[in-house]
Amino acid sequence: NTVMTQSPTSMFTSVGDRVTMSCKASQNVGINVGWYQQKTGQSPKRLIYWASNRDTGVPDRFTGSGSGTDFTLTISNMQAEDPAIYYCLQHNSYPWTFGGGTKLELK
Amino acid sequence: EVQLVESGGGLVQPGRSMKLSCAASGFTFSNYGMAWVRQAPTKGLEWVATISYDGSSTYYRDSVKGRFTISRDNAKSTLYLQMNSLRSEDTATYYCTRGANWSPFAYWGQGTLVTVSS
Repeated sequence: NTVMTQSPTSMFTSVGDRVTMSCKASQNVGINVGWYQQKTGQSPKRLIYWASNRDTGVPDRFTGSGSGTDFTLTISNMQAEDPAIYYCLQHNSYPWTFGGGTKLELK
Repeated sequence: EVQLVESGGGLVQPGRSMKLSCAASGFTFSNYGMAWVRQAPTKGLEWVATISYDGSSTYYRDSVKGRFTISRDNAKSTLYLQMNSLRSEDTATYYCTRGANWSPFAYWGQGTLVTVSS
């Protein structure tokens, strides 16, 4: 099974900061990676598909990059509405697997 | 607007069965593969099962294989998850999801909570 390891597990940031979080796959998953945002008490929301494609309506401050085993989600200008848990997902092979999540909080 | 509405969750005893439903609207249901994703209380996301657009192919995580069955009724635009021999570790919120752009989990329902406890 492909293990997706996210880092850091949590981070504190300020409005206006540039935020970078990592997701590493235990084997090559190509660009079969998505990023999901889950705010407290809500269903997850997909932000990025195929590693770097932004979903419709997702602000352009969210950017996904990477291929193979190393992936990154960057928030260029942290906003007050962005605190959430962010998950990466690989769907290159079954079982599809999520990372453990990065919890992003405001200072 | 894509809408996915889950139902059928609740409290169930270990070893018993439960069937979840997901009513889909706002799109041509028969054109899309569908999936169930679950989230145990205070835990992360876990893929459970996927079914192809026509129901001909199904995939399961190992921990539910042989106990859970994903199915669909395209005439009713409804997705199902039959869960048998339930265990305490199956306690979770179960989400119905649909993909987009040939990539999964683009749309999510509000989830239905399944609690397995005596």
